[in-house]
Amino acid sequence: QVQLQESGPGLVKPSGTLSLTCAVSGGSISSSNWWSWVRQPPGKGLEWIGEIYHSGSTNYNPSLKSRVTISVDKSKNQFSLKLSSVTAADTAVYYCARDTQITMVQGVSNWFDPWGQGTLVTVSS
Amino acid sequence: QSVLTQPPSVSAAPGQKVTISCSGSSSNIGNNYVSWYQQLPGTAPKLLIYDNNKRPSGIPDRFSGSKSGTSATLGITGLQTGDEADYYCGTWDSSLTARVFGGGTKLTVL
Repeated sequence: QVQLQESGPGLVKPSGTLSLTCAVSGGSISSSNWWSWVRQPPGKGLEWIGEIYHSGSTNYNPSLKSRVTISVDKSKNQFSLKLSSVTAADTAVYYCARDTQITMVQGVSNWFDPWGQGTLVTVSS
Repeated sequence: QSVLTQPPSVSAAPGQKVTISCSGSSSNIGNNYVSWYQQLPGTAPKLLIYDNNKRPSGIPDRFSGSKSGTSATLGITGLQTGDEADYYCGTWDSSLTARVFGGGTKLTVL
């Protein structure tokens, strides 16, 4: 079955750029799914950051859009997140997840499954 | 402040039933499908329910979902201590053009 694994630096300096990669195994990133990043500040809830399709199409959370870039590397079966101008408020566990979405007459259906194990990124000098 | 509203906590005794509500608006729950996630302590979220009331393979039928208007509900019967976790609802918000989650509900099995 599909498995996802996040990797990247666990510590980023304020005003710097957070960079993470999500490796997809057990399936192709070129399948008919989107691929998302979700974060969770310590002790708080989930926040969707954005998503990418294997074609390179992206959608971002409007609240983060000006600082977020998500890219895909089909040759390596992975996708990546860059978040610029980080502050302490960006300290969180970052998860990647497969994002299934279907647009039906009755509305949009989407769900995240599976998820990576998550990686804690701390923004501190 | 989350777009979807959940109670911060619920509790019930082992073997009992509990429901967790998720309230939204016409731009999200009212016109789109809802999913639910279970997050055990120190682990990643896990999909419990999608399309309002469908269970992925491997999820026991003790877990159920429903939707009415702009609210959704997760039900858990036959509570076990292993069900102690945080539960999140999620959906698409057409006005925000973003995926949104509830603030999460902590379930305690007394």
